[in-house]
Amino acid sequence: GDSVTQTEGPVTLSEGTSLTVNCSYETKQYPTLFWYVQYPGEGPQLLFKVPKANEKGSSRGFEATYNKEATSFHLQKASVQESDSAVYYCALSESSGSWQLIFGSGTQLTVMP
Amino acid sequence: ETAVFQTPNYHVTQVGNEVSFNCKQTLGHDTMYWYKQDSKKLLKIMFSYNNKQLIVNETVPRRFSPQSSDKAHLNLRIKSVEPEDSAVYLCASSYRASQNTLYFGAGTRLSVL
Repeated sequence: GDSVTQTEGPVTLSEGTSLTVNCSYETKQYPTLFWYVQYPGEGPQLLFKVPKANEKGSSRGFEATYNKEATSFHLQKASVQESDSAVYYCALSESSGSWQLIFGSGTQLTVMP
Repeated sequence: ETAVFQTPNYHVTQVGNEVSFNCKQTLGHDTMYWYKQDSKKLLKIMFSYNNKQLIVNETVPRRFSPQSSDKAHLNLRIKSVEPEDSAVYLCASSYRASQNTLYFGAGTRLSVL
């Protein structure tokens, strides 16, 4: 079945440093790929999604490229801030119309001032 | 802006009791979901409800049952809670079942003593 594997947390960084959260996926279909972010005390919210291979998504300084050949969708940010502290989820959804969103295990990020 | 509302925020109960959680969305979406988030932040789909059609994750114990009066409301009842039911229960909605961007509520945290 479909699956998503991402960097195990927790990850702790200092403000101003760069972030990479690895995400790899397995599916036989042509998925849409997502990054969701969950701030403390809130539900997950969409950071961005990319429906097509070889395209890039971005939001709030975060970006990820849908790499079909490598089956990867790594999240990057050049300079993190304390307010980026959250749990980040990589997810996929098949384009065949399946209702189910497959989430990775989540990566807890803490940014120290 | 919050558009998926969950009550209560927290609930503490004892083993064997029955609990109910409420969820309402004001987005006009057709599909609603219940997810369970465990202490390690893993997200697991429990139910999806679309136009009165219930899709059940087969791994969900029978003591869990969703209840929907209309497409804007999806409640969750747990008969005879057990310690492993302690978790955050997240309600979500999407425009339709095949539209895979989810909007989550803030969650209900259940503690079973």
